[in-house]
Amino acid sequence: ETGVTQTPRHLVMGMTNKKSLKCEQHLGHNAMYWYKQSAKKPLELMFVYNFKEQTENNSVPSRFSPECPNSSHLFLHLHTLQPEDSALYLCASSQEGPGGHTGELFFGEGSRLTVL
Amino acid sequence: GQNIDQPTEMTATEGAIVQINCTYQTSGFNGLFWYQQHAGEAPTFLSYNVLDGLEEKGRFSSFLSRSKGYSYLLLKELQMKDSASYLCAPMDSNYQLIWGAGTKLIIKP
Repeated sequence: ETGVTQTPRHLVMGMTNKKSLKCEQHLGHNAMYWYKQSAKKPLELMFVYNFKEQTENNSVPSRFSPECPNSSHLFLHLHTLQPEDSALYLCASSQEGPGGHTGELFFGEGSRLTVL
Repeated sequence: GQNIDQPTEMTATEGAIVQINCTYQTSGFNGLFWYQQHAGEAPTFLSYNVLDGLEEKGRFSSFLSRSKGYSYLLLKELQMKDSASYLCAPMDSNYQLIWGAGTKLIIKP
């Protein structure tokens, strides 16, 4: 496989459920990202991991919990979500240099989440 | 604050030329990206400008004016497959991408 793969592609969950989104990148990149994309709104950066260390957490509610076990895998654990959390969740990776973001982002196809 | 402004939607005819404008205000600047996103698919990289001027890549060109906080994406010889959303994203002084809401481009035969 190549690029960035996300599973599942579609997820429907109730507000009391616990689920996880998975992302895997096969590009040898050292940075991974979670974005939220809602209709007609800009992409919202949620979390950034650089060399497996979380370097960004944009005031995301604690019901979203990221995990980055290694530089190729990224998870987003979900629990007690709200209907307004329904959105497309995009994973991305890039190759970052010491100074910061140096390369383009490669996105996965996204996980379409619906919270009932 | 940081702000990106691009048209919500544009319509053009197959074979024609269309220019999608983007104005931005960011805290510092480290270049500007354009991405294409087809409905239901992942955004894909189109271009990156860090210096003023026009960068041409096949049918697509991207222009940047740092002094004006302005960029545009120029699409020539439009094809039906160019129907997509086009996302403008400048990078601020912290190398964070600031995303616009995107311009939905509709191509008509």
